[in-house]
Amino acid sequence: GDSVTQMEGPVTLSEEAFLTINCTYTATGYPSLFWYVQYPGEGLQLLLKATKADDKGSNKGFEATYRKETTSFHLEKGSVQVSDSAVYFCASSGQAGTALIFGKGTTLSVSS
Amino acid sequence: GAGVSQSPSNKVTEKGKDVELRCDPISGHTALYWYRQSLGQGLEFLIYFQGNSAPDKSGLPSDRFSAERTGGSVSTLTIQRTQQEDSAVYLCASSPRGAGMTYEQYFGPGTRLTVT
Repeated sequence: GDSVTQMEGPVTLSEEAFLTINCTYTATGYPSLFWYVQYPGEGLQLLLKATKADDKGSNKGFEATYRKETTSFHLEKGSVQVSDSAVYFCASSGQAGTALIFGKGTTLSVSS
Repeated sequence: GAGVSQSPSNKVTEKGKDVELRCDPISGHTALYWYRQSLGQGLEFLIYFQGNSAPDKSGLPSDRFSAERTGGSVSTLTIQRTQQEDSAVYLCASSPRGAGMTYEQYFGPGTRLTVT
């Protein structure tokens, strides 16, 4: 069945460092892809999305490009801040309108 | 506007008791989803509603779990005869549309269930 695999954490970075969190998916169709973020003590929030191959989602300095050839949707940010410390989840839509399939989450900790 | 709300925010119950968890989706959202977040299992899908119907119940872990949705709005997840392994955060999400289109899902803050 469909699945999402993301790199295990925790990821520990200094402020202003470059961030990459890898995410790959398996799917029988053409899913939409998402990154959600969960800040400490808060609920899941959509960070960015891409609905078709070669689309780039971006928000708050984060970017991810839907790569069909490598079935990947890696999250990147050029310069992280302490406030980016959170758990990041990669997700696939599965069949349209049905459940999201989540990766296990990657904890990011940024120190000043 | 108002987001997805869930109640209670925390629930502690004794093993064997029944619990009801409530979700109020964003107004006008026709699709509603329940997920469970636990340390060992990550985020697991439980059930999906389109309107008041549940076309996908494949994630419900046992027949102790059931859910309903009324008026195309509020949903209740019921767990009967709770077990310690039911302890988790139960998340509700809603989306403007369901089958045939893909829209992002908006999540509520969750209900933390602890079974003692």
